[in-house]
Amino acid sequence: EAGVTQFPSHSVIEKGQTVTLRCDPISGHDNLYWYRRVMGKEIKFLLHFVKESKQDESGMPNNRFLAERTGGTYSTLKVQPAELEDSGVYFCASSQDHGSGSSRGDTQYFGPGTRLTVL
Amino acid sequence: AQKITQTQPGMFVQEKEAVTLDCTYDTSDQSYGLFWYKQPSSGEMIFLIYQGSYDEQNATEGRYSLNFQKARKSANLVISASQLGDSAMYFCAMRVWDSNYQLIWGAGTKLIIKP
Repeated sequence: EAGVTQFPSHSVIEKGQTVTLRCDPISGHDNLYWYRRVMGKEIKFLLHFVKESKQDESGMPNNRFLAERTGGTYSTLKVQPAELEDSGVYFCASSQDHGSGSSRGDTQYFGPGTRLTVL
Repeated sequence: AQKITQTQPGMFVQEKEAVTLDCTYDTSDQSYGLFWYKQPSSGEMIFLIYQGSYDEQNATEGRYSLNFQKARKSANLVISASQLGDSAMYFCAMRVWDSNYQLIWGAGTKLIIKP
C-alpha cells in the first residue's frame, strides 16, 4: 500500500510569488490534514478535510492560504502571495476514521513534507 | 489549554542502551490519545506508537514502549536496545477525542545514538 505522497519535496520562491503544494493521501483515507513546521517552532495544524469538505480550518494563518480537495482525493495548498514567514516544512497526513473507540486512535500517517523557502 | 511538553531538546545515547524520551501533556478532557512519531534526517514523519487515555496497559510496538502515567500526565517513549538507525527527531503528540481531529505537538527531542 502506497503511503502519503507530497509534491514537490522542495520549493524555493521569491516573496510575492505563488506556490502550490500537492498531497496524495493513502487510498481509502477520507481524512486529510495539513500541518506546518516553521523553523524553530512546533508543528502546527492548518486544516482538516473529510472527503472534499473542510472539517476544520482553524489553523490556517490568513487568507493567503487556500486549500482544496476536489473529488475527495488529492489536496492542494496554495500560498498566494508568499511571504518570508511562510517558509517552513508543510506536512500532509491522512487517516481512516474508526471513531473514538479505536485502539489505533485514527492514527494520522504523514507524507515526507514539502520544504518551502521564501526568499 | 491543551499542551505537549518535551523537555529534552537533545540526547546522546550509547548504542545498545535503552533510552527514555520524556513527554508530559496537559488537557482537562478525559478522552484523548497520545502518539509518538520519528522524523529521521530524510524528513518523513513515521508513526511509532499510540496510547489511548482509557488503555489500562502500556502500549508496546517492538522495541518501542510507552510508559503511560495518567496521574502524572506523562507519556514517555522507551526505546530498548538502541540502534544507530534510531538517531532522529522524536515528537510526542496528542489528540483530544471530543474536540477536533488536530494533533497537538511537542517541540521534539533530537536523539543521537553513538557507536
